[in-house]
Amino acid sequence: SAVISQKPSRDICQRGTSLTIQCQVDSQVTMMFWYRQQPGQSLTLIATANQGSEATYESGFVIDKFPISRPNLTFSTLTVSNMSPEDSSIYLCSVRQGGETQYFGPGTRLLVL
Amino acid sequence: GQQLNQSPQSMFIQEGEDVSMNCTSSSIFNTWLWYKQDPGEGPVLLIALYKAGELTSNGRLTAQFGITRKDSFLNISASIPSDVGIYFCAGHPPTSEGNKLVFGAGTILRVKS
Repeated sequence: SAVISQKPSRDICQRGTSLTIQCQVDSQVTMMFWYRQQPGQSLTLIATANQGSEATYESGFVIDKFPISRPNLTFSTLTVSNMSPEDSSIYLCSVRQGGETQYFGPGTRLLVL
Repeated sequence: GQQLNQSPQSMFIQEGEDVSMNCTSSSIFNTWLWYKQDPGEGPVLLIALYKAGELTSNGRLTAQFGITRKDSFLNISASIPSDVGIYFCAGHPPTSEGNKLVFGAGTILRVKS
């Protein structure tokens, strides 16, 4: 299975600022995704990170708030822009490998004050 | 959108007991995946199911893809303290949204030693 790392692992940020989260995979993968997990909740898909083109966002998520880059098949970034306390969540990078098997990174724990 | 109903919400069991949890949906899924999430970690894939009726084991874990493609269960035999965590079912719908992994709300497992 793919080995996924995320940086930072956690951060505490002030409202109004932005944070960029990095996701690195140890092998080339076609599909990469970004999820949000709010406290005590399940996982919600933010967007599919497309290599060489704009990300595909789910309903309720917009590019201005969550810009995503995917410059190659092993790396992606998610930026949480103009943060508010409601953005406090775990942000998870995920990749699909071997058909429909999907793996997750360790997550980035974000607290916005 | 498609939803997964996962039950029970939480379980508090004695060490050594067997555990069963399930997910159901009103619509069919192509794939069922079961994950475990420990505190402060990302979800870890336990078992992946790809065909209706498929029964798969991974150590003390056994999972089945329902014949109707609308449900799946996960069994844990002889539970131990390290089984504590949150278990999520997830599935890929067969529609154009097939790239999107839909998650259940999770089952919190607590084990009394």
